[in-house]
Amino acid sequence: NAGVTQTPKFRVLKTGQSMTLLCAQDMNHEYMYWYRQDPGMGLRLIHYSVGEGTTAKGEVPDGYNVSRLKKQNFLLGLESAAPSQTSVYFCASSDPGLAGYHEQYFGPGTRLTVT
Amino acid sequence: AQSVTQPDIHITVSEGASLELRCNYSYGATPYLFWYVQSPGQGLQLLLKYFSGDTLVQGIKGFEAEFKRSQSSFNLRKPSVHWSDAAEYFCAVGNSNYQLIWGAGTKLIIKP
Repeated sequence: NAGVTQTPKFRVLKTGQSMTLLCAQDMNHEYMYWYRQDPGMGLRLIHYSVGEGTTAKGEVPDGYNVSRLKKQNFLLGLESAAPSQTSVYFCASSDPGLAGYHEQYFGPGTRLTVT
Repeated sequence: AQSVTQPDIHITVSEGASLELRCNYSYGATPYLFWYVQSPGQGLQLLLKYFSGDTLVQGIKGFEAEFKRSQSSFNLRKPSVHWSDAAEYFCAVGNSNYQLIWGAGTKLIIKP
């Protein structure tokens, strides 16, 4: 089991460029999440999905879009990158059907710099 | 509003000394509580969780945490820290939407 994987690990963008971050999980989890982590601010939820074909906004959704076309994948898109989106992005997954249904499993993160 | 507070941004502890990291939460219902650890440059790993039952929960790497409803706290403890425990520790509470509300984290520094 690879668990949760994220692609790419690092990326540098210029302001206005677009990109997509890919998250994949092989645990057959229903729920998936995208967070951003900034110094001193902990983790902030960008978007999440409660199942294939569904998405919902989290705490800081502006400037991001997501898609969950397949259960195992959750994509995070930046249509026009801004320096304020410089951050470390984490994907996580969880399964409400299990005893530890709030327990989230995390990927290794993507470090994004927007210049 | 639901929230999690970790009052200490940084804590420095000598190797071999005991550790307590504080976590206070605000949540209306019975909380589902978690501690995660993040080593430098890594993702987050679950240390322990509390759902119900015994208020003292044991986790991995020799950590434990105690749920105190009257104090709205879920403090993390370890009797003797090792240099490898240097990391950032996050407390979180689960809400009714299967989301986690996160504290800002406490960075643990170990003195040799």
